[in-house]
Amino acid sequence: QITLKESGPTLVKPTQTLTLTCTFSGFSLSTSGVGVGWIRQPPGKALEWLALIYWNDDKRYSPSLKSRLTITKDTSKNQVVLTMTNMDPVDTATYYCAHNGMDVWGQGTTVTVSS
Amino acid sequence: QAGLTQPPSVSKGLRQTATLTCTGNSNNVGNQGAAWLQQHQGHPPKLLSYRNNNRPSGISERFSASRSGNTASLTITGLQPEDEADYYCSAWDSSLSVWVFGGGTKLTVL
Repeated sequence: QITLKESGPTLVKPTQTLTLTCTFSGFSLSTSGVGVGWIRQPPGKALEWLALIYWNDDKRYSPSLKSRLTITKDTSKNQVVLTMTNMDPVDTATYYCAHNGMDVWGQGTTVTVSS
Repeated sequence: QAGLTQPPSVSKGLRQTATLTCTGNSNNVGNQGAAWLQQHQGHPPKLLSYRNNNRPSGISERFSASRSGNTASLTITGLQPEDEADYYCSAWDSSLSVWVFGGGTKLTVL
């Protein structure tokens, strides 16, 4: 059974850097074809895709946020980390991580950006 | 920012059939097909179908997807109260090498 769980701060201040961790089980990020992505959803708004990392360390980023995002993986810990720099109140959202092709999602973690 | 276009809302009666649409372009929906996700308030999205009409295990046959050109559709037959939710389409954009989402459709079951 594949599961994913997001963790990180619930509150960050404007201009700070957000670091979120996705801890997963039931699959390995060293298996060919496997990837883990991040998606966010501001309150009452639509889903927005952020980033994706593959088993071979290939990385993809949303063009509009690429300059602020970094995605990395720790295969031994079954974790994927997303960092987002220069946080702004408009980045307030629930952040989800998802397995390959979004077939399994974590429960999400809510991040509020406020001073 | 939504890369795919979905109608904001659809309303249908109980036991009726609803068809939701999702329009992209030849680099995403027209090329790779679309995935459909259902999201109930306060819950994470759940995958209903991928690459047009492949249903994950456990998804009801009342949900069926299709594609015509650059437009994908999700048809829900025999609407039930629990089908009331937000529905998102998503597709891999082969030109940008990123996933793109639609803005979501809120389905109301009357």
